[in-house]
Amino acid sequence: HVQLVQSGADVKKPGASVKVSCKASEYTFTGYYIYWVRQAPGQGLEWVGRINPDSGYTDYAEKFQGRVTMTRDTSISTVYMELRRLRSDDTAVYYCARDPDYKATAYNWFDPWGQGTLVTVSS
Amino acid sequence: QAVLTQPPSVSGAPGHRVTISCTGSRSNIGAGYDVHWYQQFPGTAPKLLIYGNNNRPSGVPGRFSGSKSGTSASLAITGLRPEDEAHYYCQSYDRRLSGVIFGGGTKLTVL
Repeated sequence: HVQLVQSGADVKKPGASVKVSCKASEYTFTGYYIYWVRQAPGQGLEWVGRINPDSGYTDYAEKFQGRVTMTRDTSISTVYMELRRLRSDDTAVYYCARDPDYKATAYNWFDPWGQGTLVTVSS
Repeated sequence: QAVLTQPPSVSGAPGHRVTISCTGSRSNIGAGYDVHWYQQFPGTAPKLLIYGNNNRPSGVPGRFSGSKSGTSASLAITGLRPEDEAHYYCQSYDRRLSGVIFGGGTKLTVL
């Protein structure tokens, strides 16, 4: 079955960078957008951005532009999200999730989701 | 602050029906963009519940249904069960923001 497995929890100091990975399996990796969504403790869901694993095209939420970079390595079916200049309010669980449409041309729903990666920013 | 507005909490007795609203604007739901719903239990990733306004993925019980009208959407849950107690989130797209938007989430309590 389609699966997304993320890297483990991480702790960073303010001002540092974090890179979270999301490894896909059991489907054609290059055919489906991967989205990143975050959830601060006790809060709701927030869209961070997305990447087309085939072309490498990225699309970021305005709030994160200039601080986030999404990349992919097609040889190992893995996408990465790097967030720079971390602040305490970046503490959150970061999820990757797949667009269900092959070669999607619109923004769709997300299914499945990775298990989430807790990033803690603390001095 | 979330772009889509949901009630922070709803509750209902077992066997009863509840609805969760998701209110947007003319730049998102009102512009014709689809609404999707997710169910999330504490400490776990969200799970797709309804897609494309009113479609259920395989494995989701028929007790869950979605609808959309104008600038709002709703999730209805009939025959409430204790295991339905969770957070529920709506999601859509906003053309002014050019991106994905979520509701703030609704905590369902089964009394």
